[in-house]
Amino acid sequence: DIVMTQSPDSLAVSLGERATINCKSSQSVLGSSNNKNYLTWYQQKPGQPPKLLIYWASTRESGVPDRFSGSGSGTDFTLTISSLQAEDVAIYSCHQHYNNLQTFGQGTKVEIK
Amino acid sequence: QITLKESGPTLVKPTQTLTLTCTLSGFSLTTSGVGVGWIRQPPGKALEWLAVIYWDDTKYYSPSLNSRLTITKDISKNQVVLTMTSMDPVDTATYYCAHRRVSGTPRPFDSWGQGTLVTVSS
Repeated sequence: DIVMTQSPDSLAVSLGERATINCKSSQSVLGSSNNKNYLTWYQQKPGQPPKLLIYWASTRESGVPDRFSGSGSGTDFTLTISSLQAEDVAIYSCHQHYNNLQTFGQGTKVEIK
Repeated sequence: QITLKESGPTLVKPTQTLTLTCTLSGFSLTTSGVGVGWIRQPPGKALEWLAVIYWDDTKYYSPSLNSRLTITKDISKNQVVLTMTSMDPVDTATYYCAHRRVSGTPRPFDSWGQGTLVTVSS
């Protein structure tokens, strides 16, 4: 299995400030044939299913605000919320679908300071 | 509009077999490149991928649960069914089904059901 490890487990950020979440995979999730990183970021609010934010490491899903951005390649990835809003309080999880055996990170809880 | 809805028992006893149904709307598993997966989440814990089935009947299972899982599709009912044997209290979780497309460059799960909470207790 590819193990996904996120850091930190939780963080508190002031409204309007930047939030940064890291995700590290135990092996590369970069596809050799198309140079796509099969790395996804989901947002999950209490009592709701995960919502797709970012796929292929840096492509925003339609309708996702541009304050959310993803970066990284290979084994190291970052989700950045450039200016935290109250509605961004949630758990953020990374996910890989590089091979047919998908795995998720443990999640990072984002709160308001 | 793509929607998925999970259904099944809310309470199962230890050692019993769990059967969950995901009813699909807005898409079909006869369409090339389409897949439906199951993911679960114990209360307060991380998401765990369980299984996926594709339009061509290809199936993949989590290695840690492979011996207990079976995923099938019923095209006539537009449903995907997951069975999990030998249920244990540690299997208590919200179970989600989700849609993905793998035609062209594969996308991750992009539409999810609301989930169904399954409690395992005697």
